[in-house]
Amino acid sequence: QVHLVESGGGVVQPGGSLRLSCVASGFTFNFYGMHWVRQAPGKGLEWVAFIRYDGSNETFADSVKGRFTISRDNTKNTLFLQMSSLRAEDTAIYYCAKAPNLGTYIDYWGQGTLVTVSS
Amino acid sequence: QSVLTQPPSVSGAPGQRVTISCIGSSSNIGAGFDVHWYQQLPGTAPRLLIYGNSFRPSGVPDRFSGSKSGTSASLAITGLQAEDEADYYCQSYNGSLSGRVFGGGTKLTVL
Repeated sequence: QVHLVESGGGVVQPGGSLRLSCVASGFTFNFYGMHWVRQAPGKGLEWVAFIRYDGSNETFADSVKGRFTISRDNTKNTLFLQMSSLRAEDTAIYYCAKAPNLGTYIDYWGQGTLVTVSS
Repeated sequence: QSVLTQPPSVSGAPGQRVTISCIGSSSNIGAGFDVHWYQQLPGTAPRLLIYGNSFRPSGVPDRFSGSKSGTSASLAITGLQAEDEADYYCQSYNGSLSGRVFGGGTKLTVL
């Protein structure tokens, strides 16, 4: 059974940095691409970033490009999101999510971790 | 402003059929990219409902169906049940943005 557990959320001041982690289990982590998707309070879903199964390519939403980086450690079945120059509008629940072998959809989601950017 | 446009809300009585539209453009749905749908129950993470325009993952009831035509897609729910009350999101890929895009979400109320 696929299990994705995020951690690292919290309160951070504007301009600050935060690193989110996601530990995966129940599947062969290094076979699959992974995403981060966020949801601001009371708002809809926003795709944030994607990384290929082997870490060879990353893509980002324009809203976070140049401020966020995505990476993975396949030896530890862990996905990361390094967030810097944080803004109030980055306040959201951040979900770690798994991509299938083929297709542009997300087949499994974690429960999310809340990031609050506030002074 | 979301790249994919959904109605903010729809409603229906138990047993009825409702549809939720998802309107895109020539950069995403109209470019041939698949549409996928997610259900988000209150206070929970989203879950995959429909993938590849019309395929249901195992465990999703056949009351849920998806279709796509041109630059738009639709999710249909028949035999509405109280447990279907949730937010529904469409998602596709946008070639000009090189990334996944979501609709703004539709809140389904079962009357």
